[in-house]
Amino acid sequence: GDSVTQMEGPVTLSEEAFLTINCTYTATGYPSLFWYVQYPGEGLQLLLKATKADDKGSNKGFEATYRKETTSFHLEKGSVQVSDSAVYFCALSDDQGGSEKLVFGKGTKLTVNP
Amino acid sequence: KAGVTQTPRYLIKTRGQQVTLSCSPISGHRSVSWYQQTPGQGLQFLFEYFSETQRNKGNFPGRFSGRQFSNSRSEMNVSTLELGDSALYLCASSLGLAGGKETQYFGPGTRLLVL
Repeated sequence: GDSVTQMEGPVTLSEEAFLTINCTYTATGYPSLFWYVQYPGEGLQLLLKATKADDKGSNKGFEATYRKETTSFHLEKGSVQVSDSAVYFCALSDDQGGSEKLVFGKGTKLTVNP
Repeated sequence: KAGVTQTPRYLIKTRGQQVTLSCSPISGHRSVSWYQQTPGQGLQFLFEYFSETQRNKGNFPGRFSGRQFSNSRSEMNVSTLELGDSALYLCASSLGLAGGKETQYFGPGTRLLVL
């Protein structure tokens, strides 16, 4: 079945450091790929997405490129802020059967220190 | 536009009881999905409803059930609660028309504690 593997962390960085969170996937068909973020005590918010190969999703300085050849969707940010501290989830949605089901990775907790 | 709302936000039950959680999607959204979030298993898909029909179901026992009403509001029910059912239950809504390409909007969750 479909699966998502992401580095579990935790990841601790200093403010203005470069961030990479690795994400790889296994899926049948042509999945859409997502990064969601969860702040303490809240639900998930979409950070960015890509729906086909070579698409780049970007938002709030975060970027990820859909790489079909390496089945990857790594999240990057050039300069993190304290406010980026949260848990980040990589997810996929397969295009089989029309369902909106998301398959998530285990999540990566990011802490950014001032 | 109001976001996804879930009630109640917190719940404490004892083993063997049953519980009903409610989710009101964003206006106009016809798809509602439910997820269970635990520290050990992470986020796991429970089921999805679209226009009052269950469109997909995850690998959970029959104690977990759901339904959707004509106004797209959804409820999930867990019968005969077990300690392992303690979790954050999240619902998400979307238009449900793009075969998995859409953004899903999540509610704040209902935190269930089973004693």
